[in-house]
Amino acid sequence: QLRLQESGPGLVKPSETLSLTCTVSGGSVSSYSSYWGWIRQSPGKGLEWIGSLYYTGSSYYNPALKSRVTLSVDTSKDQFSLGLGSLTAADTAVYYCARHIGLRWHPYWNFDLWGRGTLVTVSS
Amino acid sequence: QSDLIQSRSVSGSPGQSVTISCTGSSSDVGGYNSVSWYQQRPGKAPQLMISDVTKRPSGVPDRFSGSKSGNTASLTISGLQAEDEADYYCCSYAGRYTFVRFGGGTKLTVL
Repeated sequence: QLRLQESGPGLVKPSETLSLTCTVSGGSVSSYSSYWGWIRQSPGKGLEWIGSLYYTGSSYYNPALKSRVTLSVDTSKDQFSLGLGSLTAADTAVYYCARHIGLRWHPYWNFDLWGRGTLVTVSS
Repeated sequence: QSDLIQSRSVSGSPGQSVTISCTGSSSDVGGYNSVSWYQQRPGKAPQLMISDVTKRPSGVPDRFSGSKSGNTASLTISGLQAEDEADYYCCSYAGRYTFVRFGGGTKLTVL
């Protein structure tokens, strides 16, 4: 059974860079039919898509966050990662990793599997 | 970018039907058959309930159905049950530059 698990620091300082990792278990991050995404939810607010990538490294970004986001994949560890720079309090949120189906250069945008989420607080 | 527009709350009694709407534009909801709906219970991750406007993933009760007319997508829950009380979010593909937009969420209360 495919599962996703986020990991990373729960507290980061303003202006620093957040690094989160999502570990894929029960399957492979190198699946031909899967894209891997990051979605966040600020406290009491709605969902915001951050970006997605394919195991080859091709990626898609929310244009509002693109300048601060780095996405990467480590196929040897079945992990993919999010980097988010120049943090402010507005980046405080629960960060989810999620899967959506698709083929290379052709993602479908239905997030059918989610991790449990990890709360990241930006504060000095 | 603007969120897709959802009413903030909706309510219904057990056994009734409720419809949650999601309004966008021709650049997202109206332009593509790529609308999905998610149920989120308190403290939990969202769960996919409807994909590609009308498709129900395996395991989702057939009480949940999706539709679209013009720039507005809808999620209908029939035979409302207490366990359906949750927040519901719509999501749409929004083209090759924006990619994905979510709605602001609708809180469903089962009376």
